[in-house]
Amino acid sequence: DADVTQTPRNRITKTGKRIMLECSQTKGHDRMYWYRQDPGLGLRLIYYSFDVKDINKGEISDGYSVSRQAQAKFSLSLESAIPNQTALYFCATSDARQGALETQYFGPGTRLLVL
Amino acid sequence: AQSVTQLGSHVSVSEGALVLLRCNYSSSVPPYLFWYVQYPNQGLQLLLKYTTGATLVKGINGFEAEFKKSETSFHLTKPSAHMSDAAEYFCAVSGFSGGYNKLIFGAGTRLAVHP
Repeated sequence: DADVTQTPRNRITKTGKRIMLECSQTKGHDRMYWYRQDPGLGLRLIYYSFDVKDINKGEISDGYSVSRQAQAKFSLSLESAIPNQTALYFCATSDARQGALETQYFGPGTRLLVL
Repeated sequence: AQSVTQLGSHVSVSEGALVLLRCNYSSSVPPYLFWYVQYPNQGLQLLLKYTTGATLVKGINGFEAEFKKSETSFHLTKPSAHMSDAAEYFCAVSGFSGGYNKLIFGAGTRLAVHP
């Protein structure tokens, strides 16, 4: 079984709808991240969380919100979806105990299309 | 501030030929450098990373990269391409600041391997 899972894998929604993307991990990591990937732009950080009570904005947080329900679960919400939020979304995790060797591990991604 | 530039959004090689994917970085602190690979319809997978020590880093699937501080480069190479190497490759730089390894990704290079 995959260590980092994302649901749904694909989603089509309409402008103005609220949508939630979910991420779960079995790696036991304390840190979790949400990125979006756009062609030609690489990955950009939306939000990150160091533990259940520590949530921080990334470089492109406008229009998004997150919830860390448990150490293993981190959800991303689009309160009112717009077409330019069409992208591939990735969840990632990392282990603070690795210190300088800390590496991020990625889920398979959620492909979102906003019409 | 840190940044990554990947030269060439698309690279095409013949099976058995040398693979060279270029990455240059900018960092105001000693950098940690990563290469990730994304196979079709999958998440990102760590290929290799440089933190400190030996400047030639060996990764999975026969890939390696050399950290050259004087050239601010971290190019990825593989002596002989396989068809299975066709994927998108991302270079990333991080500095251990703010308590974690914040990753800044390049725009990615899509590698095509033809018979």
